[in-house]
Amino acid sequence: DTAVSQTPKYLVTQMGNDKSIKCEQNLGHDTMYWYKQDSKKFLKIMFSYNNKELIINETVPNRFSPKSPDKAHLNLHINSLELGDSAVYFCASSQDGSGYTFGSGTRLTVV
Amino acid sequence: AQSVTQLDSQVPVFEEAPVELRCNYSSSVSVYLFWYVQYPNQGLQLLLKYLSGSTLVKGINGFEAEFNKSQTSFHLRKPSVHISDTAEYFCAVSRPSGGYNKLIFGAGTRLAVHP
Repeated sequence: DTAVSQTPKYLVTQMGNDKSIKCEQNLGHDTMYWYKQDSKKFLKIMFSYNNKELIINETVPNRFSPKSPDKAHLNLHINSLELGDSAVYFCASSQDGSGYTFGSGTRLTVV
Repeated sequence: AQSVTQLDSQVPVFEEAPVELRCNYSSSVSVYLFWYVQYPNQGLQLLLKYLSGSTLVKGINGFEAEFNKSQTSFHLRKPSVHISDTAEYFCAVSRPSGGYNKLIFGAGTRLAVHP
């Protein structure tokens, strides 16, 4: 069983479209995250949810809206996609900060 | 706030040679430290982590790292590298603070192992 799974793995879409990425973890962790990896491989945190409550929002544009229906799921919805949104998005989970498990990533390409 | 500096963006090395990837962190409080590896077009895999206790940490694939509090460093080492170790390596820091922790990454070091 995959500990942190995210879908889709690849996403190619046109500018202006709206898309969603889904993430699920079966580790029983309380905290989930979204990270963005840009073209230079730099990894930056976007959001964090603890038990369905948003606790970290790192100055991400309003076009990005995370949703956590329960503590095992954290989805990312992106409105009005722009070229600069092209990146790899990683979902992760952690129980107490002593270990973080990452999903395999979603490569988003906006054309 | 915490920050991480990986001093080398690229490290070329010959197969079977030793390697050290350098990482320094900045924090006013105690931290957890991690090294992750990312192979081409893949996700992030944990190599090792320091939480507390012994400052020498052993990880997977023959890697080890030493936590040095006075120098605020957590350098990664391997005595003999293989071609298959070619990848991007990320040092990261987290603050142990319950549900409000987050992992902050360095910019990464590309390890290129040549035959």
